[in-house]
Amino acid sequence: KAGVTQTPRYLIKTRGQQVTLSCSPISGHRSVSWYQQTPGQGLQFLFEYFSETQRNKGNFPGRFSGRQFSNSRSEMNVSTLELGDSALYLCASSPRDLPPYEQYFGPGTRLTVT
Amino acid sequence: EDQVTQSPEALRLQEGESSSLNCSYTVSGLRGLFWYRQDPGKGPEFLFTLYSAGEEKEKERLKATLTKKESFLHITAPKPEDSATYLCAVHATGGFKTIFGAGTRLFVKA
Repeated sequence: KAGVTQTPRYLIKTRGQQVTLSCSPISGHRSVSWYQQTPGQGLQFLFEYFSETQRNKGNFPGRFSGRQFSNSRSEMNVSTLELGDSALYLCASSPRDLPPYEQYFGPGTRLTVT
Repeated sequence: EDQVTQSPEALRLQEGESSSLNCSYTVSGLRGLFWYRQDPGKGPEFLFTLYSAGEEKEKERLKATLTKKESFLHITAPKPEDSATYLCAVHATGGFKTIFGAGTRLFVKA
């Protein structure tokens, strides 16, 4: 079975721009979560989607948004980029519909904001 | 507020020198506790799920245990390939959010 895939793997953007990151979960997985990972803050939860519905959102500003499609693929968008948004963005999917669920992570998208 | 704290931040071991990593948690109600391994430049890799106090899980040189306040990841006779960051995470009752600890960076020298 193919793992979680994320595109693009690397991205360089300028302050003020917006960016869209994509995630394809493992086939059959309907729960998809997004995380931001930085050296200072570690892994921070952004949001979780199941069947196209956002079930939970972390403590991030409204510039961070996401969505899930009917095939469980997910995208996240960051508008008006700031330097502090530079991070590794990780997507994870789970074979279970309800917590507690183990998660399988993609390789991440490394975003650099200049 | 739900919180996960891992210690030590970094641990250096000689090959074959057994040790333990600690994960203490404060949550309103624990649904599950997870251990992940993360190699540089990669996403975390799932290792174990523990659901209730007293539970233990083993995989090769790793053994995870759970009490009402903390979890331990015991590493027996580690090898250099065990070098990685080990992350602890929890699911608390009432939500769909996973809370991660900051991780323990493990270095095993041959």
